[in-house]
Amino acid sequence: RKEVEQDPGPFNVPEGATVAFNCTYSNSASQSFFWYRQDCRKEPKLLMSVYSSGNEDGRFTAQLNKASQYVSLLIRDSQPSDSATYLCVVNINNAGNMLTFGGGTRLMVKP
Amino acid sequence: DVKVTQSSRYLVKRTGEKVFLECVQDMDHENMFWYRQDPGLGLRLIYFSYDVKMKEKGDIPEGYSVSREKKERFSLILESASTNQTSMYLCATDGQNSPLHFGNGTRLTVT
Repeated sequence: RKEVEQDPGPFNVPEGATVAFNCTYSNSASQSFFWYRQDCRKEPKLLMSVYSSGNEDGRFTAQLNKASQYVSLLIRDSQPSDSATYLCVVNINNAGNMLTFGGGTRLMVKP
Repeated sequence: DVKVTQSSRYLVKRTGEKVFLECVQDMDHENMFWYRQDPGLGLRLIYFSYDVKMKEKGDIPEGYSVSREKKERFSLILESASTNQTSMYLCATDGQNSPLHFGNGTRLTVT
């Protein structure tokens, strides 16, 4: 079983749709969680950190469920510019060397 | 804003060649990392460094070495390139209270 699992997609949705991605992780000692966005042939960029209380940034909402060991990302009113691969990243401690990346979920938003 | 610069965007090398991938960061961060990214396998850590002249093996160090002579520069070395090292190589850095930032990647093809 992979340490961080994501549905690879692709998720093909119309503009304006709400879309949700889930990510499950195997190590219960994981402490920090992030969502990164990666455009085609570009480097991953931090989208948002995920806090235990949940957090929201505009149209994006991240949730963490430590009991069930999953992280979610919700995108409301999706736009074509949201088309990208979304990477779930889990950290066992606060050192970068313990980051584990999911394989990513690809999103395509059609106008 | 953090800037991580990788010296080459695209590189084509022959089997058996020695290959140097250079990475420079401008944020005075102690931590620097080299990852490779392959379809279906996600991002995998090759080597990392927490300080000048310090290096630690990541998950897949075989066939690679690194050099950190200056704080801002972290080099990845392929002593004798092989076709299975064809990949996207991503350098990254993070610091205290600063999440992981990636360079724009080097797409290496070994023929």
